[in-house]
Amino acid sequence: GDSVTQMEGPVTLSEEAFLTINCTYTATGYPSLFWYVQYPGEGLQLLLKATKADDKGSNKGFEATYRKETTSFHLEKGSVQVSDSAVYFCALKGNQAGTALIFGKGTTLSVSS
Amino acid sequence: GAVVSQHPSWVICKSGTSVKIECRSLDFQATTMFWYRQFPKQSLMLMATSNEGSKATYEQGVEKDKFLINHASLTLSTLTVTSAHPEDSSFYICSARGGQGNSPLHFGNGTRLTVT
Repeated sequence: GDSVTQMEGPVTLSEEAFLTINCTYTATGYPSLFWYVQYPGEGLQLLLKATKADDKGSNKGFEATYRKETTSFHLEKGSVQVSDSAVYFCALKGNQAGTALIFGKGTTLSVSS
Repeated sequence: GAVVSQHPSWVICKSGTSVKIECRSLDFQATTMFWYRQFPKQSLMLMATSNEGSKATYEQGVEKDKFLINHASLTLSTLTVTSAHPEDSSFYICSARGGQGNSPLHFGNGTRLTVT
């Protein structure tokens, strides 16, 4: 079945460092890909998404490009801030309407000043 | 934006008792709700999908008699953990979708269940 694999955490960075969180997927057809973020004490929030190959999702300085050839959707940010400390989940949704999201295990990011 | 309210945010109960978790869509009609479970350092695992007015569809390995899901209205779904045991201790999250099948998903803040 469909699955998502993302890099193990925690990831610890200093402020203004470059961030990459790797995410690869296995799916039939052409899924949509998502990154969700969970800040401490809060629920999941959609960070960005891409619905077809070569699409780039971006939000709040974060970017991820849907790479079908490598089945990847790596999350990047050029300069992280302390406020970016959170748990990041990569997820996919199959192309059938009404299907649920399938999540990766989540990667904890901790940014220090 | 759309809001999903999940209640309670945390609950501690004794082994053998039942616990009900509510998931409400506050400003939209949720035609479909999903219930997830998250173990420490693990992914969110889909437990079941519920559509308003019909029986929930459970994922393989999820006991439907233990995790009772009711989606009686377009704004409320409940998950009842029956005869809870310590191994049921986990983080439960609901998500809701309104409208068409590819409408955005909105998540509740989750419920931390601890069974003693």
